[in-house]
Amino acid sequence: NAGVTQTPKFQVLKTGQSMTLQCAQDMNHNSMYWYRQDPGMGLRLIYYSASEGTTDKGEVPNGYNVSRLNKREFSLRLESAAPSQTSVYFCASSEALSRTGYEQFFGPGTRLTVL
Amino acid sequence: TQLLEQSPQFLSIQEGENLTVYCNSSSVFSSLQWYRQEPGEGPVLLVTVVTGGEVKKLKRLTFQFGDARKDSSLHITAAQPGDTGLYLCAGGRNYGQNFVFGPGTRLSVLP
Repeated sequence: NAGVTQTPKFQVLKTGQSMTLQCAQDMNHNSMYWYRQDPGMGLRLIYYSASEGTTDKGEVPNGYNVSRLNKREFSLRLESAAPSQTSVYFCASSEALSRTGYEQFFGPGTRLTVL
Repeated sequence: TQLLEQSPQFLSIQEGENLTVYCNSSSVFSSLQWYRQEPGEGPVLLVTVVTGGEVKKLKRLTFQFGDARKDSSLHITAAQPGDTGLYLCAGGRNYGQNFVFGPGTRLSVLP
């Protein structure tokens, strides 16, 4: 049981290049999330997917696209990378404990630098 | 503007001391979570509180959710070097389906 896995772990891009960050979970969770973490800002939600086939914008969606490929996989794409997208990206998945409680599990992160 | 504020931002204490960190908001949340994050890793969930006034204990850690479900505190008794890390609170929205995170409290416990 690997939990949440992310690839790659590190990436350096030049401005204008594109790339896709991959995320997979093996816990059979319905909900999946993409966050970015910047110093002093905590984690900010980029996109989330409440279930297979649905995606919704979070707090900072501009410059990103997502695909919920199936229940296990949720990818994040940068079409034209900008230096402002230099960050650590985390994928998470969750399942409802109750109507009001969701427990999130995070992957190890992808450290992206855009030059 | 942060929807969730955490204080203090940084805290450095000696092993054996007690400490409390705070998470505050003007918004009401359906649930409140606390995470600990170590360098180079993703956050790990410590606790979820869902009822106003709820208190949960996890060994030396005590978590409290405010009566109005707008704030929370984390108290650590007799801190140990292994408690060192970034402590993040997260408020659940949309019936807990997505979350907003605070900026974190970076704790350093010196031996």
